[in-house]
Amino acid sequence: GDSVTQMEGPVTLSEEAFLTINCTYTATGYPSLFWYVQYPGEGLQLLLKATKADDKGSNKGFEATYRKETTSFHLEKGSVQVSDSAVYFCALSPTNFKTIFGAGTRLFVKA
Amino acid sequence: DVKVTQSSRYLVKRTGEKVFLECVQDMDHENMFWYRQDPGLGLRLIYFSYDVKMKEKGDIPEGYSVSREKKERFSLILESASTNQTSMYLCASSLRAERRTGELFFGEGSRLTVL
Repeated sequence: GDSVTQMEGPVTLSEEAFLTINCTYTATGYPSLFWYVQYPGEGLQLLLKATKADDKGSNKGFEATYRKETTSFHLEKGSVQVSDSAVYFCALSPTNFKTIFGAGTRLFVKA
Repeated sequence: DVKVTQSSRYLVKRTGEKVFLECVQDMDHENMFWYRQDPGLGLRLIYFSYDVKMKEKGDIPEGYSVSREKKERFSLILESASTNQTSMYLCASSLRAERRTGELFFGEGSRLTVL
């Protein structure tokens, strides 16, 4: 069945460091891919999305490119801030209603 | 501002009690979902509904039921709570027309502890 695998955390970085969180997926058909973020004490919110191969989603300095050949959707940011500390979830949405989530990666950014 | 509201942020219940978790959205969304979130497991779908009075089982429906009597409200019911249902429960909604490409809008979550 469809699945999402993302790198285990926690990831600890210093402010202004480069961030990569790896995400790979298994799916039939042509799913959409998402990154959601969960700040402490809050629900999830959409960070970015890509709906077809080679699309790049971007928001708040974060980027991810839908790579069908490597079945990946890695999240990157060039310079992280303390306020980026959160849990990040990679997700895919196949052709039915069931969005499938990865296990989440917790990011800590130190000042 | 669009909103998904869950009735209780924190609940403590005893084993065997009946538990109701309520979720209301003000976006006129057709689709509503209940997930549970556990460390290391991500979010797992319990039930979803794509219309009033319609419901579909997700990946882990055992021990749960749902009710959708009105479009804006989706309730999760634990008929007889057990300790392995201690978890964070997240409600979400989305537009039916965007079921593949659209985002899910989440509530803040209800943290349930079963003693």
